[in-house]
Amino acid sequence: EIVMTQSPATLSVSPGERVTLSCRASQSVNNNVAWYRQKPGQGPRLLIYDASTRGTGVPARFSGSGSGTEFTLTISSLQSEDFAVYYCQEYNNWPRTFGQGTKVEFK
Amino acid sequence: EVQLVESGGALVQPGGSLRLSCAASGFTFSTFYMTWVRQAPGQGLEWVANIKPDGSESAHVGSVKGRFTMSRDNAKNSLYLQMNSLRAEDTGVYFCARGASLLDYWGHGALVTVSS
Repeated sequence: EIVMTQSPATLSVSPGERVTLSCRASQSVNNNVAWYRQKPGQGPRLLIYDASTRGTGVPARFSGSGSGTEFTLTISSLQSEDFAVYYCQEYNNWPRTFGQGTKVEFK
Repeated sequence: EVQLVESGGALVQPGGSLRLSCAASGFTFSTFYMTWVRQAPGQGLEWVANIKPDGSESAHVGSVKGRFTMSRDNAKNSLYLQMNSLRAEDTGVYFCARGASLLDYWGHGALVTVSS
């Protein structure tokens, strides 16, 4: 089973700031990584797949990069709706696994 | 508009059984893999099981294998998760989602609480 490790666990930021979240896989997952945003009381929303492709209707402020074992999600200018928890997930192996999440909170 | 609506969550005693349902609409349900993901209180996400579009084959993660069974009824656009021999550690919100690699649509979840 692949272990996905996200950092940091919590990020305190102000609206408008640029945010970078990291995700590391315990072994290569090629570019088979997705990122999700989860708001309280809701199911996650797909943001990025194939490491760098934005999902349907996802704003351009979200971008993803990386391959192999190191991946990054960048939010260029944080909006109020972006205060949430972010998860990375690999789909190169079974069972699919998620990172433990990064909480982006208001500074 | 794609919609996934879970139902069937409840409080159940350890060792008991429960069946969750997920009603799908807004897409051709019979052509998509589907997945169940769960989230323990205050914790992260855990893949539970997924199933092929025609329902011929499903795969379950080790912690639920032999206790949970995922199935579907394409005529009813519905997905199911039969959960037997429930344990306290099965407590959480159960989400159905479309796909079996990336998950592009999710429901809002059904709460399952296993407690005496």
